[in-house]
Amino acid sequence: ELKVEQNPLFLSMQEGKNYTIYCNYSTTSDRLYWYRQDPGKSLESLFVLLSNGAVKQEGRLMASLDTKARLSTLHITAAVHDLSATYFCAVAVNQLIWGAGTKLIIKP
Amino acid sequence: NAGVTQTPKFRVLKTGQSMTLLCAQDMNHEYMYWYRQDPGMGLRLIHYSVGEGTTAKGEVPDGYNVSRLKKQNFLLGLESAAPSQTSVYFCASSYGTTNYNEQFFGPGTRLTVL
Repeated sequence: ELKVEQNPLFLSMQEGKNYTIYCNYSTTSDRLYWYRQDPGKSLESLFVLLSNGAVKQEGRLMASLDTKARLSTLHITAAVHDLSATYFCAVAVNQLIWGAGTKLIIKP
Repeated sequence: NAGVTQTPKFRVLKTGQSMTLLCAQDMNHEYMYWYRQDPGMGLRLIHYSVGEGTTAKGEVPDGYNVSRLKKQNFLLGLESAAPSQTSVYFCASSYGTTNYNEQFFGPGTRLTVL
């Protein structure tokens, strides 16, 4: 059974700090997505990572993919309050399999 | 473009009642999906469609039916609602010819079954 595990599931941090969210998955895949969801809102695509070693950056967020380790990371640099949201990874294996989400709270 | 829209946004049902959720997309996408989102469980795929007139079961199809009579619309039906179906339902659509292209989501429907 394919498993997609995110950790941590909850993260509270101060503005200005750096942190990393991890997404581990249990089977071969060479495509992974990161989505953002604000409270009570829909999901918005952030990044698609298409190959081993792929790295994408948008503002203070940077995502990477290591297909050999079956691991993706979402790194937050110098966090700001506006980045508070729940972040999901989704692994492509015939269909998208979703992680449980990481709820990120950034305190001013 | 409106993207992906869902109707209704909120609904409260009594156990045993039926209802239909409507999803519409104006992006000419072939693929459409229905998910449910429960706290701490991410998204779980209920049913999906790879084109007009086709549907397929996802991870948690029991208690739900779907129809895709028009390319732009994907309907999710609950024939006899149960409290376990209390959830937030999201519709999504994607372009292309695979089942794992980038998906675009609607705003969600919050359903409570009493």
